[in-house]
Amino acid sequence: AQSVTQLGSHVSVSEGALVLLRCNYSSSVPPYLFWYVQYPNQGLQLLLKYTSAATLVKGINGFEAEFKKSETSFHLTKPSAHMSDAAEYFCAVSDRGTNAGKSTFGDGTTLTVKP
Amino acid sequence: NAGVTQTPKFRILKIGQSMTLQCAQDMNHNYMYWYRQDPGMGLKLIYYSVGAGITDKGEVPNGYNVSRSTTEDFPLRLELAAPSQTSVYFCASSHPPGQANSPLHFGNGTRLTVT
Repeated sequence: AQSVTQLGSHVSVSEGALVLLRCNYSSSVPPYLFWYVQYPNQGLQLLLKYTSAATLVKGINGFEAEFKKSETSFHLTKPSAHMSDAAEYFCAVSDRGTNAGKSTFGDGTTLTVKP
Repeated sequence: NAGVTQTPKFRILKIGQSMTLQCAQDMNHNYMYWYRQDPGMGLKLIYYSVGAGITDKGEVPNGYNVSRSTTEDFPLRLELAAPSQTSVYFCASSHPPGQANSPLHFGNGTRLTVT
């Protein structure tokens, strides 16, 4: 069985500051990992995904995440927050060979960016 | 491309009423999914389909039914609405796992209130 824990349901940063959203997972086999972003009144959209090609994954809008097997983590970072980054972020894990729709999602982290 | 289109965007139902949430995609994705999102929670999979004529239960199927007569459409049926079904419903689609475990493409959601 797989599970995802997102540490901190709310994170607040100042514009220009580092963004760090934490995600830890458990999986019985090497997983695929995803970060999705949800803007108000919209569906989720993919930020980035890890499928084992490289441990440091770059995504859209300047976000990146590093897969650390020893820590079972896949934290999302961005060097400098922008007001437009304010949204809810979801980490998801799926077993290799299963479809992405059967991913297990974390409960989400709401990012607030202060001017 | 329109992507994944959901209708309606909002709906209020009385207890015991029925309704169908519509979902259509134009990306020729074989896999389609229905999720519900409750406040402060991640997504829970209700039903999914791996192709026309094939459907299967997800994590929380009780109170719902689906059909998949075409590749493009995947409607979700609520037969006897209950207050516990108040939620935001998302439809999503994807390619099969073999295609680099492609991520999910989401619609913008249907916000349903049952009173």
